[in-house]
Amino acid sequence: GNSVTQMEGPVTLSEEAFLTINCTYTATGYPSLFWYVQYPGEGLQLLLKATKADDKGSNKGFEATYRKETTSFHLEKGSVQVSDSAVYFCAGTYGGTSYGKLTFGQGTILTVHP
Amino acid sequence: NAGVTQTPKFRVLKTGQSMTLLCAQDMNHEYMYWYRQDPGMGLRLIHYSVGEGTTAKGEVPDGYNVSRLKKQNFLLGLESAAPSQTSVYFCASSRAGHGEQYFGPGTRLTVT
Repeated sequence: GNSVTQMEGPVTLSEEAFLTINCTYTATGYPSLFWYVQYPGEGLQLLLKATKADDKGSNKGFEATYRKETTSFHLEKGSVQVSDSAVYFCAGTYGGTSYGKLTFGQGTILTVHP
Repeated sequence: NAGVTQTPKFRVLKTGQSMTLLCAQDMNHEYMYWYRQDPGMGLRLIHYSVGEGTTAKGEVPDGYNVSRLKKQNFLLGLESAAPSQTSVYFCASSRAGHGEQYFGPGTRLTVT
């Protein structure tokens, strides 16, 4: 079936470090891809999205490029801040946009230390 | 513009009790969803609705029922709560034909 897989385990970085969180998807059709962020005690917020191959989504210094050849949508940020500490979810919509059902990865906890 | 709201924020139930979670959105979105979030498992879709009066099963529907009598509201019911339903429940909504979903703040449910 359709699936989205994120890198396992929490990520701990120092402020201003470079961030990469890996995400891969199954290539059944051409899903739209998303990164959501969940701050402590809150719901999920859309961080960025890409709807077709080679698209780059970006927001708040975060970027991710839809790579069809590697079925990947890795999240990157050049210099993280303490305020970026949160849980990050990769997600994709399969079955077209008729009802937008999202398939989520398991989430990656990011902790940034001063 | 409140976006997506959920009530209650917290609830503790005993096994066998029933309850209803309410989700409301003021964005005039056609689609609404209920998810549960468990540690290490991301979010899993319970039920969803593509319009007023219509509902459909998601990935983990057993033990839950839903209703969408008004476009802006989506109710999730537990008829006989079980400890396995201890989780955080999120409601979301989206426009028809658009993948991005808007989430509520969540309801933390504990079943003892």
